[in-house]
Amino acid sequence: DIQMTQSPSSLSASVGDRVTITCRASETISTYLNWYQHKPGKAPNLLIYAVSNLQSGVPSRFSGSGSGAHFTLTISSLQPEDSATYYCQQGYSSPRTFGQGTKVE
Amino acid sequence: QITLRESGPTLVKPTQTLTLTCTFSGFSLTTSGVGVGWIRQPPGKTLEWLALIYWDDDKRYNPSLRSRLNIAKDTSKNQVVLTMTNLDPVDTATYYCAHSFYYGSGNFDYWGQGTLVTVSS
Repeated sequence: DIQMTQSPSSLSASVGDRVTITCRASETISTYLNWYQHKPGKAPNLLIYAVSNLQSGVPSRFSGSGSGAHFTLTISSLQPEDSATYYCQQGYSSPRTFGQGTKVE
Repeated sequence: QITLRESGPTLVKPTQTLTLTCTFSGFSLTTSGVGVGWIRQPPGKTLEWLALIYWDDDKRYNPSLRSRLNIAKDTSKNQVVLTMTNLDPVDTATYYCAHSFYYGSGNFDYWGQGTLVTVSS
């Protein structure tokens, strides 16, 4: 299985801050990298697909970048509603695997 | 508008079999490329992909759980059913179903709200 490692595991930031979350795959996964936002009691929400493509309806302050096995999710100006846990996920090979999550407060 | 909804028991005893149903609308599992998957999240842990079924009845399973899982679709009812045998307390989790595509980056773009299943005697 491809292991997905996120860092940090949690972070605390202020409104307006720029926040960056890193995701590393245990092997190259091309562009098969997706990011989700998950709030307690709600369904995970797809933010970014294929490394850098913004899902419809997602605010433009979210962006993704990276290649090979190293990827980042950036929130350009953190808003109160962005408090959530963020997960990366690889779709390169089966089984699809998720990172352990980054809690943003 | 795509929606998915999970249903099934909330409490299951150890060694029993769990059957979960995903009822969806806004798409058809007869459309080329479409898939529906199951993902779970134990309390305090990360998401774990379990199984996925595609429009052509291609089925994929997480190898770590393959022997205990079965996924099937009923296109006439717009439903996907996941069966998991020999439950254990470690299977306590929120179970989600989600829409996916065979093509693309392997993401899950629409999710149900999830259903919490507790395994306890």
